[in-house]
Amino acid sequence: DTGVSQNPRHKITKRGQNVTFRCDPISEHNRLYWYRQTLGQGPEFLTYFQNEAQLEKSRLLSDRFSAERPKGSFSTLEIQRTEQGDSAMYLCASSANENVYGYTFGSGTRLTVV
Amino acid sequence: GEDVEQSLFLSVREGDSSVINCTYTDSSSTYLYWYKQEPGAGLQLLTYIFSNMDMKQDQRLTVLLNKKDKHLSLRIADTQTGDSAIYFCAESLSSGGKLIFGQGTELSVKP
Repeated sequence: DTGVSQNPRHKITKRGQNVTFRCDPISEHNRLYWYRQTLGQGPEFLTYFQNEAQLEKSRLLSDRFSAERPKGSFSTLEIQRTEQGDSAMYLCASSANENVYGYTFGSGTRLTVV
Repeated sequence: GEDVEQSLFLSVREGDSSVINCTYTDSSSTYLYWYKQEPGAGLQLLTYIFSNMDMKQDQRLTVLLNKKDKHLSLRIADTQTGDSAIYFCAESLSSGGKLIFGQGTELSVKP
């Protein structure tokens, strides 16, 4: 297992289009997190799953955003009707239950909305 | 509310010590972390400290926690050019829970 994998690495889309990102966590990790990072800022929490259950969603996650983790393994984050303000790095991370040592982050998907 | 603040830039000479500071507002924070981010890369966990500790040392890294002032610092001894990166402080209210990040401190190490 080589860590948390995110695809694609880069995505350029036109405003109004829908995009979907995928995250494959470390296989034995049951928690999976999505964060968004804009230029010059720290990551902002979006949502997290424990197995297939979505336990918390940030108010940053508008109705246009939806995340799923149907079988408790990989997760997808979909953004509908993209806006220029959605341009950011979308980071996925995973951890084992009750892990106090922090998460393992993926390298992220950079979204550019033109 | 939850808020984490860091100074934005720090420049040091190779071989000197670097001290990166962070303040947080939530006194319920249980775990505090330092992450490193290099250009184009994800975040790498450097070290962490529990709220019942004052200090933690790990090789060249020393973390100091002042709970009364809600102040966290990361000292890097003998800073090298490879330490140039953005350093993020983060707090968590529970193990495995969401992290609240600061805006990051860009460390520049000059030869």
